[in-house]
Amino acid sequence: QVQLVQSGAEVKNPGASVKVSCKASGYTFTSYAMHWVRQAPGQRLEWMGWINAGNGDTKYSQKFQGRVTITRDTSASTAYMELSILGSEDTAVYYCARETYYYDRSRYSEYYYMDVWGKGTTVTVSS
Amino acid sequence: DILMTQSPSSLSASVGDRVTITCRASQSINIYLNWYQQKPGKAPKVLIYAASGLQSGVPSRFSGSGSGTDFTLTISSLQTEDFAAYYCQQSYTTPRTFGQGTKVEIK
Repeated sequence: QVQLVQSGAEVKNPGASVKVSCKASGYTFTSYAMHWVRQAPGQRLEWMGWINAGNGDTKYSQKFQGRVTITRDTSASTAYMELSILGSEDTAVYYCARETYYYDRSRYSEYYYMDVWGKGTTVTVSS
Repeated sequence: DILMTQSPSSLSASVGDRVTITCRASQSINIYLNWYQQKPGKAPKVLIYAASGLQSGVPSRFSGSGSGTDFTLTISSLQTEDFAAYYCQQSYTTPRTFGQGTKVEIK
């Protein structure tokens, strides 16, 4: 079945970096975009960026520009999200999510949504 | 960035109640609007895509409507397993943005 398996929980010191992996299975990895979304305790879901798993193109939220890097290894069907210069405000659960689309013939349009999610990786930043 | 605002932020309801959650976008997003359900400690799960499309496997008591800036998620008859948080999300442009969430609690 289609699934995304994320790496385990991390505890990091302030100023360090963290790299979270997301291994895809059950579908053609390069045919879909992969998004990264985080959720701080009690907060809303926050989009960080995405990668076109086919050609490697990326786009990041301006909030994280310069601190986040999303990459992929097509041979391993795995996407990665690295966040640097961690602060306590980066304590959160980090999710990867596959994005698919629905094509509406009557509107000649594609409508995108995140249909498969990893279980999340808890990153705790604390000294 | 497109700001997504949900109301209410929380609500209490009983099993069998009809529940309506609204989502407003800060600019027109056509029907590029999705709804997700999230239970404590779990990843979000898509319920509705393109404002009114029911995701495969999602019960028909869930429905969505709206276009432009105003959208609605309706649960026609609330079940025990529906007590959760619900988020709207726009996919009109990046950054993808989410509403602040609506927590549906047991009355």
